[in-house]
Amino acid sequence: DTGVSQNPRHKITKRGQNVTFRCDPISEHNRLYWYRQTLGQGPEFLTYFQNEAQLEKSRLLSDRFSAERPKGSFSTLEIQRTEQGDSAMYLCASSPPTGSYEQYFGPGTRLTVT
Amino acid sequence: AQSVTQPDIHITVSEGASLELRCNYSYGATPYLFWYVQSPGQGLQLLLKYFSGDTLVQGIKGFEAEFKRSQSSFNLRKPSVHWSDAAEYFCAVDNFNKFYFGSGTKLNVKP
Repeated sequence: DTGVSQNPRHKITKRGQNVTFRCDPISEHNRLYWYRQTLGQGPEFLTYFQNEAQLEKSRLLSDRFSAERPKGSFSTLEIQRTEQGDSAMYLCASSPPTGSYEQYFGPGTRLTVT
Repeated sequence: AQSVTQPDIHITVSEGASLELRCNYSYGATPYLFWYVQSPGQGLQLLLKYFSGDTLVQGIKGFEAEFKRSQSSFNLRKPSVHWSDAAEYFCAVDNFNKFYFGSGTKLNVKP
């Protein structure tokens, strides 16, 4: 069990550029979540996958945001035409298929839009 | 609407003193409840969870929390704080696979 990993850990981009983040969940965890955390706030739910199916999307996830989990393993979160308001920490979490409802979080990707 | 409230933004306690961090939630039914800790540069780490049964739950690092249905609260406690406990603490509620987090309480520990 190597934990949830996220890459990159930091990303600085200019407004208007596209960015993509990757999340590798704990192996055998079929549920995967994306959250956004801004300074002084708790994480806010963005989206949830069970295997490769995206089952929930927050209204926070505008049309510029898209997430995929093509083979039910790793996931990507893409932000198109970034805006300064997108600057935040993007957190990924995973949880196992049965029993526990715990979510195991990765270290996050900090995005700065200049 | 679902909500999780952590009324204390910052708390400072002396090392060795007791600690209580407050959490209130607003839901129609009894949700699953969690406390996480976040240290600078670290991911969120689960301290403890409540699903059902005994309303006093024990967690890691000497933490415990008590679920009080009548008060819609799930307060986190520790009898004796260590300097390494300085971090930010988040209460969270699981509502059908979506976690709702409070805004966090930042704990400072005085030597």
